[in-house]
This record gives sequence, structure tokens and C-alpha cells, in this order.
Amino acid sequence: DTEVTQTPKHLVMGMTNKKSLKCEQHMGHRAMYWYKQKAKKPPELMFVYSYEKLSINESVPSRFSPECPNSSLLNLHLHALQPEDSALYLCASSHVGGGSYGYTFGSGTRLTVV
Amino acid sequence: GENVEQHPSTLSVQEGDSAVIKCTYSDSASNYFPWYKQELGKRPQLIIDIRSNVGEKKDQRIAVTLNKTAKHFSLHITETQPEDSAVYFCAASLMNTGFQKLVFGTGTRLLVSP
Repeated sequence: DTEVTQTPKHLVMGMTNKKSLKCEQHMGHRAMYWYKQKAKKPPELMFVYSYEKLSINESVPSRFSPECPNSSLLNLHLHALQPEDSALYLCASSHVGGGSYGYTFGSGTRLTVV
Repeated sequence: GENVEQHPSTLSVQEGDSAVIKCTYSDSASNYFPWYKQELGKRPQLIIDIRSNVGEKKDQRIAVTLNKTAKHFSLHITETQPEDSAVYFCAASLMNTGFQKLVFGTGTRLLVSP
């Protein structure tokens, strides 16, 4: 399995809703990432997990809450989002160390906040 | 932190022509430079990458060059085809002990006309 699987593919939520995005990989990658991509912009890093521990939080608002329950799963919990949070949310994974570089991106979740 | 600039923002070529996209990075410690192709509504896909101990790398019609002294790297596509039309992102990262933090350029929209 050489893929990163993200669910759901599309999500519409109200500003008072709570929802979660899910990311799964079975490539043995021990680093996992959340990126946010607005239209016609590059992906922007949100969070990095390395060996299931949060390594980077790029000053992301607390309405986004990441979770890495095991080495294959990465979740992003959403609560009280704003319309400007509407974007494509990309999960990625990579090896750590050993000279193996390169991300594998998931297909993304297109989030619309209404 | 790392900052990556990318030019041009838009590039239009005729089928069969060559296309060149250029990037500069700010952090001399960065040691990994991937290029991603992103088609509309899809995930970024790695098309070629180069590490800091290499000056040039080719893969069929695609090549990447790196000038560490000048902190420049470039993507060269020869014999362009309409299916090369997409947004291309360069990126730079420092391979940390546990993960890599990719910083993306602003993107180049390549349009190849038949």
C-alpha cells in the first residue's frame, strides 16, 4: 500500500458544528503532516507529528485540534470554524531519517464552512 | 525560517517548447528540494527531487538543477505536452532528526497550448 487515504473527500459544516478529518497510511511512515491549501495558493504547514508526538504547531488556532492515535492514523478535529477556514486540507506522510526523503500526499478533504 | 520564492507565476508555451521555472531559497541549511505538480482539484504529486549533494538530476523530459552557492534551483521541462499543463510548486526543507518541514514556493501555472 503506497497511498495516504483521507476521509471524507468533501465536508460542509456550520460554524457551530464539530467534525473530524481522518488520514491513514500503511507505508510505515513515522512522520505525518497536516497542510491547509487555499485556492491558487501553495500548501501551508499546520502540524507535524513525528513518532506519534506533536513536533510542530505552526501557530494554528485552537479550533483545529490534531490527534495521532497510532503510527498509521492522523486526525484533525474541527470545532467552531469560521468561513475563512474553508480550504483543501491535505495530509501527508514521510519516512524519518535514513536518507529517505519525500512526502506522500493524500487526496485531501475539501472543507466548506457555512 | 525558510522562505522560497518562485518565478514566473504564469508560463504559457507552445507544445514542443521547453519550460523553465526558477526558485530561490533563503536557508543555506536546507538540503532537500522537491518539485510537485498539482492538477486542478487534485493532490500535489512529486515529479522530481534533488538533494543538496547533487547538482543536477534528470528523469526523461524533466530535469532539476541546483546551485547551492546562489541558493537557486530550477525545473526544466523539454518537449512540453498539453498534459503538462498544471500548477508546479517548488519546495525546500531541512531533513530534521525526525521529520522534514517542506516550505513551498508560490507556484507556477504552466499552460501548454497545442
